[in-house]
Amino acid sequence: QKEVEQNSGPLSVPEGAIASLNCTYSDRVSQSFFWYRQYSGKSPELIMSIYSNGDKEDGRFTAQLNKASQYVSLLIRDSQPSDSATYLCAVRENYGQNFVFGPGTRLSVLP
Amino acid sequence: GAVVSQHPSWVICKSGTSVKIECRSLDFQATTMFWYRQFPKQSLMLMATSNEGSKATYEQGVEKDKFLINHASLTLSTLTVTSAHPEDSSFYICSAQPGTGRVDEQYFGPGTRLTVT
Repeated sequence: QKEVEQNSGPLSVPEGAIASLNCTYSDRVSQSFFWYRQYSGKSPELIMSIYSNGDKEDGRFTAQLNKASQYVSLLIRDSQPSDSATYLCAVRENYGQNFVFGPGTRLSVLP
Repeated sequence: GAVVSQHPSWVICKSGTSVKIECRSLDFQATTMFWYRQFPKQSLMLMATSNEGSKATYEQGVEKDKFLINHASLTLSTLTVTSAHPEDSSFYICSAQPGTGRVDEQYFGPGTRLTVT
């Protein structure tokens, strides 16, 4: 059974610090990886997608992928209280259509 | 771009009645739409995958006769919860996958909060 694991948190960081969110996945052939942010009571919104090993930067967000270690992470620089949310890691099956979501990590940025 | 709407945003119904939830992709055509359910403080649970013009594929444990899915066009999918019971109360979220362009991404609707009394 394909699994995506995340530390449920809460992860607390002070405002202005770097928040590091981690995700591991079990299906070695997975090719597509996504980070979603979900505020309480709202639906998820896509932050970043990453497909190749290495880093991908978008503003304050950097996604890192290591397929050999089956590990994907999200770094949030200069964390703001508005970044406080649950972050969901999603992995797409190589030959199918479905996303497999992790349980999410709750991030709390303290002012 | 990539906007997905859902209607209604919340609904309260009596036990035994049916509720229909609409999911629309507003500015793109979605060959595939997904329906998720999320209980409080839990992660998303995929219920079913629907492709335009064909029958939905349901995840294990999801009753297809209870959760009817219709994907009649490239911009509209509906989920009907039949004979709803209080345990069906949940946050139902659809997502849509573009047929062209960024075909590997999913965009979520705002969700529908269902309460069955």
